Amino acid sequence: QKEVEQDPGPLSVPEGAIVSLNCTYSNSAFQYFMWYRQYSRKGPELLMYTYSSGNKEDGRFTAQVDKSSKYISLFIRDSQPSDSATYLCAMGSGGNTGKLIFGQGTTLQVKP
Amino acid sequence: ETGVTQSPTHLIKTRGQQVTLRCSSQSGHNTVSWYQQALGQGPQFIFQYYREEENGRGNFPPRFSGLQFPNYSSELNVNALELDDSALYLCASSHGQERSYNSPLHFGNGTRLTVT
Repeated sequence: QKEVEQDPGPLSVPEGAIVSLNCTYSNSAFQYFMWYRQYSRKGPELLMYTYSSGNKEDGRFTAQVDKSSKYISLFIRDSQPSDSATYLCAMGSGGNTGKLIFGQGTTLQVKP
Repeated sequence: ETGVTQSPTHLIKTRGQQVTLRCSSQSGHNTVSWYQQALGQGPQFIFQYYREEENGRGNFPPRFSGLQFPNYSSELNVNALELDDSALYLCASSHGQERSYNSPLHFGNGTRLTVT
């Protein structure tokens, strides 16, 4: 079993839709959680960073962490064609290495 | 503020050869991490350097080695290349504090390595 599970998709939605992306994890030591967006032929770009359970909002993006269920989500409101990319969840346990464990990534296509 | 830059962007090597990839950290960042991303997969942690010392290593063999320089730039060296080493190699920088670390990583655009 992988430490972090993420449905690879692809996920296709019409412009303006609400998108829900999810990851589950098995390691209860994970303390901080990130979402990255990766366009084709580019490196991952940090979207959201959270360090506790609950919700964090930034513009059209909302990150949700439920440590009791070992489940994190990213919601995208009013999705745009420019949101078409691969979305990667990542998790870390802190400590002294900074090692992140990434999900496989979900490919999202927003159709005009 | 200058972001993370990597060179070269693409590289083709033959099995058995050696390769060096380079990375310049984002301004103000003292920690650099290297990740390998196979096609269709998430990045996998290779190792991290903090103040010029290796600060953690993932499940990669010793033929993967690295350096961090006083200006916080970094190199990833891979010896005896294998076909499975073909991947996107990502460098990420962050600001680490006294080896207790939870700063988010900022990635470069990677070096695409193809081993034939």
